Amino acid sequence: NAGVMQNPRHLVRRRGQEARLRCSPVKGHSHVYWYRQLPEEGLKFMVYLQKENIIDESGMPKERFSAEFPKEGPSILRIQQVVRGDSAAYFCASSPPGQGQGTEAFFGQGTRLTVV
Amino acid sequence: GDSVTQMEGPVTLSEEAFLTINCTYTATGYPSLFWYVQYPGEGLQLLLKATKADDKGSNKGFEATYRKETTSFHLEKGSVQVSDSAVYFCALKGNRDDKIIFGKGTRLHILP
Repeated sequence: NAGVMQNPRHLVRRRGQEARLRCSPVKGHSHVYWYRQLPEEGLKFMVYLQKENIIDESGMPKERFSAEFPKEGPSILRIQQVVRGDSAAYFCASSPPGQGQGTEAFFGQGTRLTVV
Repeated sequence: GDSVTQMEGPVTLSEEAFLTINCTYTATGYPSLFWYVQYPGEGLQLLLKATKADDKGSNKGFEATYRKETTSFHLEKGSVQVSDSAVYFCALKGNRDDKIIFGKGTRLHILP
């Protein structure tokens, strides 16, 4: 049973480039969450998606950031024109559908983005 | 909106000491509560959970009791080990949506 798979594990981008972070949820899970973790800080909620739908993007910056979870394939977090302040660890989590609020989320190992 | 507050770290203890990490929450209704642990360089792993008032979650010697009257979910362990050194996150999942809200995390150092 594969868990949540994120790739790449480490990503280096120059300022102004685009970063694409991929997340394959646990098989059968239809809910995906993205979080950002800055060094020595907690997890900041970014976006919550279900298959083909964005449910809550209240934590996502309005510009340069976007997320999708297509019917087929992984969820993608896309950061355009990256700046140094985007350097962080980005974690994806998934949970199954219809299991109620007691269902926990399963986390990937994260993608560590460094903007140089 | 919903929120989680947990004690600031780092917390440094000697091996075999008693551990408490405080966590309180603000939410409407009856959220589910979780403790996650993050080891260096890794993602978060679920440590334990509780889904209703007075439930006690337990795992690997850790315990936490869902206290609705004090809106708390404090993490405890009777005798910590060096291998427990990690960052611990308290979290809630509200009953209005499936969004999971995390506290800022508490870094725990256990000295041999």
